Amino acid sequence: DAGVIQSPRHEVTEMGQEVTLRCKLISGHNSLFWYRQTMMRGLELLIYFNNNVPIDDSGMPEDRFSAKMPNASFSTLKIQPSEPRDSAVYFCATQFRDTNTGELFFGEGSRLTVL
Amino acid sequence: AQKITQTQPGMFVQEKEAVTLDCTYDTSDPSYGLFWYKQPSSGEMIFLIYQGSYDQQNATEGRYSLNFQKARKSANLVISASQLGDSAMYFCAMREDSSYKLIFGSGTRLLVRP
Repeated sequence: DAGVIQSPRHEVTEMGQEVTLRCKLISGHNSLFWYRQTMMRGLELLIYFNNNVPIDDSGMPEDRFSAKMPNASFSTLKIQPSEPRDSAVYFCATQFRDTNTGELFFGEGSRLTVL
Repeated sequence: AQKITQTQPGMFVQEKEAVTLDCTYDTSDPSYGLFWYKQPSSGEMIFLIYQGSYDQQNATEGRYSLNFQKARKSANLVISASQLGDSAMYFCAMREDSSYKLIFGSGTRLLVRP
């Protein structure tokens, strides 16, 4: 959906390097979710922001992961240092204010490969 | 705790035929929503259909319909008149109305044969 723009689409890095994934939201949202998708664990919620405030970060794997939402339309997910087990597709998603069913709209995902 | 189960890792269907993808769920919350998403090989997650726990009728969206059986806690997706472009992963998901968390099942890979 054009309302959620993620970058980069693909990232290949070496173990130990810092990785920053970005998510830009077009207007009309009130929340932001970061999900991770792997073959072994499926889709997992990492962190949820509402009105730019982190509400639940219990899904963040460990201290190497951090997320910020400095304004209403932008968020970053950072991994430092990265490890091969972090290889996954990372999705950003939002819930638009004018939907009464509450479905999430996802970005196209960022595929991360850590060598 | 809420839980979503999709027991079919993979399914085949002949083009133009209908197919049912199974989904069962577990929740103690009386108010919840059920969702289906499609993930084609390109990777994006596409919202297909929604069913609220208090909805009296099964949801329909074009060729998609949701067979909602509340007592059995099942929310199966029915795709009618399958097309080659329907080949994809399909995920069932649920959110309790008291929560913000959308929990996903493990997915079913559908392959439509010409």
